[in-house]
Amino acid sequence: DGGITQSPKYLFRKEGQNVTLSCEQNLNHDAMYWYRQDPGQGLRLIYYSQIVNDFQKGDIAEGYSVSREKKESFPLTVTSAQKNPTAFYLCASSPLGSGGASTQYFGPGTRLTVL
Amino acid sequence: AQTVTQSQPEMSVQEAETVTLSCTYDTSESNYYLFWYKQPPSRQMILVIRQEAYKQQNATENRFSVNFQKAAKSFSLKISDSQLGDTAMYFCAFMKGYNAGNNRKLIWGLGTSLAVNP
Repeated sequence: DGGITQSPKYLFRKEGQNVTLSCEQNLNHDAMYWYRQDPGQGLRLIYYSQIVNDFQKGDIAEGYSVSREKKESFPLTVTSAQKNPTAFYLCASSPLGSGGASTQYFGPGTRLTVL
Repeated sequence: AQTVTQSQPEMSVQEAETVTLSCTYDTSESNYYLFWYKQPPSRQMILVIRQEAYKQQNATENRFSVNFQKAAKSFSLKISDSQLGDTAMYFCAFMKGYNAGNNRKLIWGLGTSLAVNP
């Protein structure tokens, strides 16, 4: 099956710990994205990557880090510097053909809770 | 900067009836794309429909259709024959058209929570 997988579905973190959220896609999409969703707010972009070994900060990158060593994978690390990491995290991917919309397709999400 | 506004935080509709969700946006771009996404209680974000700004014809996908008014910068979603499974949060989103300088970011509205009642 083609799609985007995120793991784990639920993640608990203690104060001061770094945690890594996994995102994998087998859609052969060039671009991948990480969003954060909080209650009552729209999705906010954390990081995105349009090509392997390259990524750009989104609107709320502080306290997060990413890597893009493989086209299929775009893991997100929530560091201890992130002041309020409890949220729902969504990963997305999209093709990047020129001249058209790069429709984003989403994974099932990871719910991160800081204890 | 582009903005997307969904003025209806919550709506409800009876099963089998029709409901329209509103979305307005602000942009100075002439080439762009608009999307409606659905997020059911499972929280999976699902693409409902997509509209290219250069197309005059409104997009349709089965029971879902849009009313795209480019001059008014309005992009409403109509759901016909509402079903219980349509209960979800609906998000409107905007993306600038492609050129070498664009990063293809989505600009999101805050969502409309739709409840379909039996």
